[in-house]
Amino acid sequence: NAGVMQNPRHLVRRRGQEARLRCSPMKGHSHVYWYRQLPEEGLKFMVYLQKENIIDESGMPKERFSAEFPKEGPSILRIQQVVRGDSAAYFCASSPPGGVNQPQHFGDGTRLSIL
Amino acid sequence: KQEVTQIPAALSVPEGENLVLNCSFTDSAIYNLQWFRQDPGKGLTSLLLIQSSQREQTSGRLNASLDKSSGRSTLYIAASQPGDSATYLCAVNWSAGNKLTFGGGTRVLVKP
Repeated sequence: NAGVMQNPRHLVRRRGQEARLRCSPMKGHSHVYWYRQLPEEGLKFMVYLQKENIIDESGMPKERFSAEFPKEGPSILRIQQVVRGDSAAYFCASSPPGGVNQPQHFGDGTRLSIL
Repeated sequence: KQEVTQIPAALSVPEGENLVLNCSFTDSAIYNLQWFRQDPGKGLTSLLLIQSSQREQTSGRLNASLDKSSGRSTLYIAASQPGDSATYLCAVNWSAGNKLTFGGGTRVLVKP
């Protein structure tokens, strides 16, 4: 049973370009979460999605960031017009349906570097 | 404000010694608390999840306790091994939406 798959593992972008990060949850998991780990900082929640729905986006920056989890295919975190401060590790987690006490399982992350 | 704190930030022990890792949180109205391990350049591995109604959880050499009234959880790792060297993260879920708030982690080095 494959774990949470994130790609790419490393992504380099120049300022002003777009970054697309992909996450395929574990089989049977319908809940997806995105977290960001800035250099020398802890993990911070960004957004929680279920299929075709954004449930909680309270941690998302107001501009340039968006997320989706379509009916078919992986969840996508999209960052438009990237800036140096977007350099970070972005982690995706998934959990099965069944309520609040389901553990979250994390992928290996995407390391985003902005030149 | 709901915050999670882990002290110390780093810990070094000789192999065989028991590890005690601390986590404190500011609001006792939690749904659950989860302990993770993170290796350099890797994602997080879930170790244990303690529900609000539970006092402890055990898995092999790992035991995690929860005291909501004092806002504390402790992760015990018995008979530490060099392979236990990693960063250990505590995360609290205060919301029905399963949004985790993380502590800063404790970086552990087990010396052979």
